Amino acid sequence: DAGITQSPRHKVTETGTPVTLRCHQTENHRYMYWYRQDPGHGLRLIHYSYGVKDTDKGEVSDGYSVSRSKTEDFLLTLESATSSQTSVYFCAISDGRSPTEAFFGQGTRLTVV
Amino acid sequence: GESVGLHLPTLSVQEGDNSIINCAYSNSASDYFIWYKQESGKGPQFIIDIRSNMDKRQGQRVTVLLNKTVKHLSLQIAATQPGDSAVYFCAENPLGTYKYIFGTGTRLKVLA
Repeated sequence: DAGITQSPRHKVTETGTPVTLRCHQTENHRYMYWYRQDPGHGLRLIHYSYGVKDTDKGEVSDGYSVSRSKTEDFLLTLESATSSQTSVYFCAISDGRSPTEAFFGQGTRLTVV
Repeated sequence: GESVGLHLPTLSVQEGDNSIINCAYSNSASDYFIWYKQESGKGPQFIIDIRSNMDKRQGQRVTVLLNKTVKHLSLQIAATQPGDSAVYFCAENPLGTYKYIFGTGTRLKVLA
């Protein structure tokens, strides 16, 4: 696997609490992505980053914010978790030289109760 | 690793036979089309891509066909093996971006 680490790997949290998921890479890739994966929807892009402090929204960004203060870390924050945000979250990275080959992390299973 | 119990269309293929997985895409302005494979408990892995100005591209045991007229993409796997059992996603890369928009996926089951 490419050097991508997601943490935590599993989390259970209560509705209304803030949650931060971390994606850490050792590949020095420029592009980083957060996806969520749900039954019947496949992978949906939440936010992505094209450089330090440069981020943009994806298809399902409502209720999520991101930050990238250094190349290796991309944080996804749920400001006030809701049950609809129960999902498996995947981080991905891309170097941009190949526009298509993204490398994915192992995923984080988040349950909001 | 993580996986999701996806309620997906399933293609069952006998080991050794060829598999064809289909995908319809929506964005005519996409520059690249990509196939990813997701094994149980893992994140998706890149298989092969094709640029919008091509009709066909071959890799090792895999071929991707692009029909822009009907916005259809297919992945052909030759001599399907048990290790090919996975969920397969097509994805689009909209022109001028580094985003990837994924389809909902197809589960491939290889029968011994």
